[in-house]
Amino acid sequence: DAKTTQPTSMDCAEGRAANLPCNHSTISGNEYVYWYRQIHSQGPQYIIHGLKNNETNEMASLIITEDRKSSTLILPHATLRDTAVYYCIALSPSGGGADGLTFGKGTHLIIQP
Amino acid sequence: DTAVSQTPKYLVTQMGNDKSIKCEQNLGHDTMYWYKQDSKKFLKIMFSYNNKELIINETVPNRFSPKSPDKAHLNLHINSLELGDSAVYFCASSRGGAPVQYFGPGTRLTVL
Repeated sequence: DAKTTQPTSMDCAEGRAANLPCNHSTISGNEYVYWYRQIHSQGPQYIIHGLKNNETNEMASLIITEDRKSSTLILPHATLRDTAVYYCIALSPSGGGADGLTFGKGTHLIIQP
Repeated sequence: DTAVSQTPKYLVTQMGNDKSIKCEQNLGHDTMYWYKQDSKKFLKIMFSYNNKELIINETVPNRFSPKSPDKAHLNLHINSLELGDSAVYFCASSRGGAPVQYFGPGTRLTVL
């Protein structure tokens, strides 16, 4: 798995877009970027993943730079319930999860009312 | 119709006891996992299991053993509990060992 680096914490105002960066400069060609979050006292929750194209689902958007060395998770209209620790993980989908996911320290996103 | 469920949610026990945590998934997945989250909030894989292979994180003491009665269940047995085993344990599942995993709500184990 490629090493990822995320800011320790971030604040965002409720209703604004939350942009969470992740650096993965050593990512290899077959590794995807996966995002999870963990709301306090709950299990981690899968959000989104991508290889090189931008991706969007009902939870978030994922923007990956052209050189794939970094990415940004975007929560378009953050709510208080989005306060959580967000994890960025880079690994290959073909069996890369069979050994389990390697979670770093993540970014603690705090949504301010 | 919870996708991944764990019981119990809280478990308080004495040092030296043997305990089990149950996990069930109704997603039809073939791979299940156990993770441990310690007091510093670091989340680490303990086991990965499908019907063919058990992958054990080498740092996990052999007092911990996963047991799978069928594809939908992966229980965690812990023998001779120690103070350091106090943590939140999460079960998860995925299809084919894929990185998209679904987690249970966690079991908070406290060893006194």
